Amino acid sequence: GESVGLHLPTLSVQEGDNSIINCAYSNSASDYFIWYKQESGKGPQFIIDIRSNMDKRQGQRVTVLLNKTVKHLSLQIAATQPGDSAVYFCAENYNYKLSFGAGTTVTVRA
Amino acid sequence: EAQVTQNPRYLITVTGKKLTVTCSQNMNHEYMSWYRQDPGLGLRQIYYSMNVEVTDKGDVPEGYKVSRKEKRNFPLILESPSPNQTSLYFCASSLQTGLEAFFGQGTRLTVV
Repeated sequence: GESVGLHLPTLSVQEGDNSIINCAYSNSASDYFIWYKQESGKGPQFIIDIRSNMDKRQGQRVTVLLNKTVKHLSLQIAATQPGDSAVYFCAENYNYKLSFGAGTTVTVRA
Repeated sequence: EAQVTQNPRYLITVTGKKLTVTCSQNMNHEYMSWYRQDPGLGLRQIYYSMNVEVTDKGDVPEGYKVSRKEKRNFPLILESPSPNQTSLYFCASSLQTGLEAFFGQGTRLTVV
């Protein structure tokens, strides 16, 4: 089946800067997307979701952008903090089933 | 507190010795699922359940069994574990299929 992938496996960010994590998905029929955060030794934690009828959604310090034309999803984190260091996954929902990418490891530099 | 609880968190076992990893959720969710996480492969679904007594195979079901006798519990059973089942396992639950919102803390299984 088709799967979701992330552009970069690692991202190093200066504390206080904005982070942008990218994700390319392959199934144009996917209608729902989720971003997760996974800290070391913990399970994935839901961050934010977006439906395919939207192109932007904002949460607390996070924004998800969806570009269906190029099948691209991004997660923006404002004013990155040390606690944002983690692995970030995107997941796409097609036919009521989630497919996950391999993840991007974000490291925040003090 | 809403949570998904897995036990044990860590397990080392020998090939062929049956084991069960338990999963329990306190949110009255109908949908539960099991994933394994391996380096470079992301999360892959093993089995899922849409309600009590309703289970179905995910992408990598070989070597695993599940049961859903009550809404809150969804155990993962390895009848005869093999070394290729060494992995990090996660249970998840949600209100409906494909909206996994809550994951357990994970079970790191090593089969020697």
